[in-house]
Amino acid sequence: EAGVVQSPRYKIIEKKQPVAFWCNPISGHNTLYWYRQNLGQGPELLIRYENEEAVDDSQLPKDRFSAERLKGVDSTLKIQPAELGDSAVYLCASSLMTGAASGNTIYFGEGSWLTVV
Amino acid sequence: DQQVKQNSPSLSVQEGRISILNCDYTNSMFDYFLWYKKYPAEGPTFLISISSIKDKNEDGRFTVFLNKSAKHLSLHIVPSQPGDSAVYFCAASQYNQAGTALIFGKGTTLSVSS
Repeated sequence: EAGVVQSPRYKIIEKKQPVAFWCNPISGHNTLYWYRQNLGQGPELLIRYENEEAVDDSQLPKDRFSAERLKGVDSTLKIQPAELGDSAVYLCASSLMTGAASGNTIYFGEGSWLTVV
Repeated sequence: DQQVKQNSPSLSVQEGRISILNCDYTNSMFDYFLWYKKYPAEGPTFLISISSIKDKNEDGRFTVFLNKSAKHLSLHIVPSQPGDSAVYFCAASQYNQAGTALIFGKGTTLSVSS
């Protein structure tokens, strides 16, 4: 079974440019998460989807970040315009259902490494 | 204000010995705790978890202990192996109006020498 797939793996852009990340969750997983991990920090939740509905986007900087999950499968995360402080690893994760509980493991992709120069 | 704290950025252990990674939390409403392991250039992978109704969960060489009164949990790896060298993240599950979310600590880098 394929895991969570993300692309691109690495991206270097100049500040003020746009960038987009794509995520394909594990087949059948209804819940999809986008996390951001800064250097030396743990992952921080940006947005969580239940199927196609964004149920928790309280930590998403909405002035420049946007996300969508059309048809409740793949998802894209966009930053426009990018700032120097956006340099981080953007992690996509998925789980069968919502919430951390026994039997409902949250699986992470390998991450998209963004450098803004 | 960090709700999940891993106060030791790094830990070095010899192969065959016990590794003990610690984690403290501040929110008494957390009901589920997890440990994730992360190798360089890879995403975190789930290692072991524990519900707040338990005080111990064991899976092979890995055991997680939970002390709710102290708001403290620890991961024990016995015996430690060089392949265990990675960053270990402690995470806690918090229920809010939108459902649940994982709150991660900053991680502890474990180095196991042969």
